Amino acid sequence: SQKIEQNSEALNIQEGKTATLTCNYTNYSPAYLQWYRQDPGRGPVFLLLIRENEKEKRKERLKVTFDTTLKQSLFHITASQPADSATYLCALDYNAGNMLTFGGGTRLMVKP
Amino acid sequence: DAGITQSPRYKITETGRQVTLMCHQTWSHSYMFWYRQDLGHGLRLIYYSAAADITDKGEVPDGYVVSRSKTENFPLTLESATRSQTSVYFCASRGTGKETQYFGPGTRLLVL
Repeated sequence: SQKIEQNSEALNIQEGKTATLTCNYTNYSPAYLQWYRQDPGRGPVFLLLIRENEKEKRKERLKVTFDTTLKQSLFHITASQPADSATYLCALDYNAGNMLTFGGGTRLMVKP
Repeated sequence: DAGITQSPRYKITETGRQVTLMCHQTWSHSYMFWYRQDLGHGLRLIYYSAAADITDKGEVPDGYVVSRSKTENFPLTLESATRSQTSVYFCASRGTGKETQYFGPGTRLLVL
């Protein structure tokens, strides 16, 4: 079965710096990979999707890369702000897009 | 503009009791999903539904029952609750041909 690994340790960075989160997966490469944000006590919220034929995707201060050779996605938040503090989840499609498999998430703490 | 709602938001029950968690979406999305989220495991898919009267098992279906008589509702029933089913349960939906999932606020369930 597909396995997804995200750094379970919290990432602490200073405001204004770039945060980089990693998502590694095993087995087959998915058709696409998604990143979600989750705040305490709330459901995940979709941020970005990147397809297997795309190397990079950007949205405002967010950037996602997808390396199917390394089986890895990197999620960057530039000029980070305390409001970016949350848990970030990566998710891969499974079963032809009918299901998503989620990683355990990485908690990001941005200190002012 | 309710989107996707879950009820109850919090539930305490006892081992052996039947519990039903409700999920309702107003977008007429074809697909609906139930996940549970536990520390150390991330989000795991319990059941999903591609349309009314069509349901399928996810990664951790044992002990759960679902039904989907109407497109907008997708209730999850724990027929005989066990302590291991103490968790936070999230419902999600997505449209046909779309990859993004939209999550509800979650139901926090405690089984004593």
